[in-house]
Amino acid sequence: KAGVTQTPRYLIKTRGQQVTLSCSPISGHRSVSWYQQTPGQGLQFLFEYFSETQRNKGNFPGRFSGRQFSNSRSEMNVSTLELGDSALYLCASSLEQGSGANVLTFGAGSRLTVL
Amino acid sequence: LAKTTQPISMDSYEGQEVNITCSHNNIATNDYITWYQQFPSQGPRFIIQGYKTKVTNEVASLFIPADRKSSTLSLPRVSLSDTAVYYCLVGDIENDYKLSFGAGTTVTVRA
Repeated sequence: KAGVTQTPRYLIKTRGQQVTLSCSPISGHRSVSWYQQTPGQGLQFLFEYFSETQRNKGNFPGRFSGRQFSNSRSEMNVSTLELGDSALYLCASSLEQGSGANVLTFGAGSRLTVL
Repeated sequence: LAKTTQPISMDSYEGQEVNITCSHNNIATNDYITWYQQFPSQGPRFIIQGYKTKVTNEVASLFIPADRKSSTLSLPRVSLSDTAVYYCLVGDIENDYKLSFGAGTTVTVRA
């Protein structure tokens, strides 16, 4: 069973540019959530998608957006990049939305560096 | 208020047992307690999950007292490869299931 696949694994952008990250969940998983991880802030929740609808959103500016497709694959976009956006972006999939008993399976992450 | 509270770091030696306690005073009736392990530059990995009493798998044990306001992850006979950050995650029903990982506990195992 294939795991969660995130692409690209590494990327370098400059301030003001925009970036799109992709996440393919485990087959059969309908929920995809995104996290930003930085040394200073730890793992912070960005948003969660279930059945192509954003169900929850963390405390991030509108420059951070996402979507989910009918096959459950998800993308997140960050526009007008800032230096502080440099981070490891993690995607996780689970069978159902929310937390509770759901077990999250994470991808390896996309390492974004903003220069 | 933090949803969960864990020690920032713990040191141990190979072969010892490591116990990490997580406080979750506001745990809701429907919440499960889940622990994840994360190595540098990798995504967190599921270790164990429980609701009450004790759960054991091939990797760890999870002890949950009757009031469920805390839980303890026990790693038996750790090795150098167990050096990682360990996160305690509790369902965050009050915030529409926004998943809050907290800062985690950095466990360092020495030879």
